[in-house]
Amino acid sequence: NAGVTQTPKFQVLKTGQSMTLQCAQDMNHNSMYWYRQDPGMGLRLIYYSASEGTTDKGEVPNGYNVSRLNKREFSLRLESAAPSQTSVYFCASSERDGNIQYFGAGTRLSVL
Amino acid sequence: AQSVTQPDIHITVSEGASLELRCNYSYGATPYLFWYVQSPGQGLQLLLKYFSGDTLVQGIKGFEAEFKRSQSSFNLRKPSVHWSDAAEYFCAAHSGGSNYKLTFGKGTLLTVNP
Repeated sequence: NAGVTQTPKFQVLKTGQSMTLQCAQDMNHNSMYWYRQDPGMGLRLIYYSASEGTTDKGEVPNGYNVSRLNKREFSLRLESAAPSQTSVYFCASSERDGNIQYFGAGTRLSVL
Repeated sequence: AQSVTQPDIHITVSEGASLELRCNYSYGATPYLFWYVQSPGQGLQLLLKYFSGDTLVQGIKGFEAEFKRSQSSFNLRKPSVHWSDAAEYFCAAHSGGSNYKLTFGKGTLLTVNP
């Protein structure tokens, strides 16, 4: 049982480049989330999807877009990467709102 | 505003010693409470959760946490720490209902000395 799978694990971008972070879960969960983790800041919610077909902004959405492709997959897109987006990105899923969230292993992104 | 505070940024203990990591929350009503652990280079793993009922909850890896409403606290404890417990620990809270936001504390880094 893979749980939550994130790709890629590592990525280096130049300022202005775009990329998409992929996330897939195999637990048949309804809700999915994207967080970023920065030193001393804990995890901050970027976007979430309560259910297939819906997405909403979290605490730090600026500079990001998301797509809930289907029930399994939730992608995060950086249209024009900035050095301030250097971070570790985590995807999570939960059966429904208010339930336990299960996390992927993370994507370590550096923007030069 | 809703918040979760972990007062200790870094704690060092000796292997075999007891451990207590502090967590305080600020919510209008009692939230759902969680402790997660993150080993270096890894994702977050749930240690335990409190939704309601018994205020002392048991988790994995020998951890337990006690919910104290009067102190707005949810402290994590372990009687005897192992070297493999060295990691970063995050307390988190969720207000439930249709609010999807899980609010994390900033984490406590645990170092275990041999």
